[in-house]
Amino acid sequence: NAGVTQTPKFQVLKTGQSMTLQCAQDMNHNSMYWYRQDPGMGLRLIYYSASEGTTDKGEVPNGYNVSRLNKREFSLRLESAAPSQTSVYFCASWVGQGGNQPQHFGDGTRLSIL
Amino acid sequence: QKEVEQNSGPLSVPEGAIASLNCTYSDRGSQSFFWYRQYSGKSPELIMSIYSNGDKEDGRFTAQLNKASQYVSLLIRDSQPSDSATYLCAVSISGTYKYIFGTGTRLKVLA
Repeated sequence: NAGVTQTPKFQVLKTGQSMTLQCAQDMNHNSMYWYRQDPGMGLRLIYYSASEGTTDKGEVPNGYNVSRLNKREFSLRLESAAPSQTSVYFCASWVGQGGNQPQHFGDGTRLSIL
Repeated sequence: QKEVEQNSGPLSVPEGAIASLNCTYSDRGSQSFFWYRQYSGKSPELIMSIYSNGDKEDGRFTAQLNKASQYVSLLIRDSQPSDSATYLCAVSISGTYKYIFGTGTRLKVLA
């Protein structure tokens, strides 16, 4: 059981380049999330999808877009990468409202913008 | 703005001692509370969840919740060097699909 799978694990980009981070979960969870983690800042929510077909902004959405491709997949796109977006990105999934359940995390994508 | 506060540490304890980690939160409507452990360079890993006032024990870990004081804690008994990690407190935001995470407490267990 893979849980939450993120690709790629590492990426180096030049300023202005674009890329898409992929996330897939096999737990039949309804909700999916993208966080970034910076030293001393904890996990900050970028975007989330409460259910298939919906997406909403989190705490730090500027410079990012998301797509909930289907129930399993939730991608994060950087259209024009900036050095301030250098971070570790985590995707998470959650069974959905109504259940006292934790979020499950992928292994993360370490992204450096030069 | 909903908040979760943790002491960033580092909290240093000798091997075999009890480590006590604390977390306060601002949303009185929060219903779900979690402790995650995160080793350096790794993803957060769930170690405890608690939903009602009181204590919940799982092996060497005990989570304590006091909703009136908006306080949740994690006790680690017989601390081991392998417990050295950052511990993140996560709290559900009432009426939403979101959780808010504290910035984490770094624990160092000294052999």
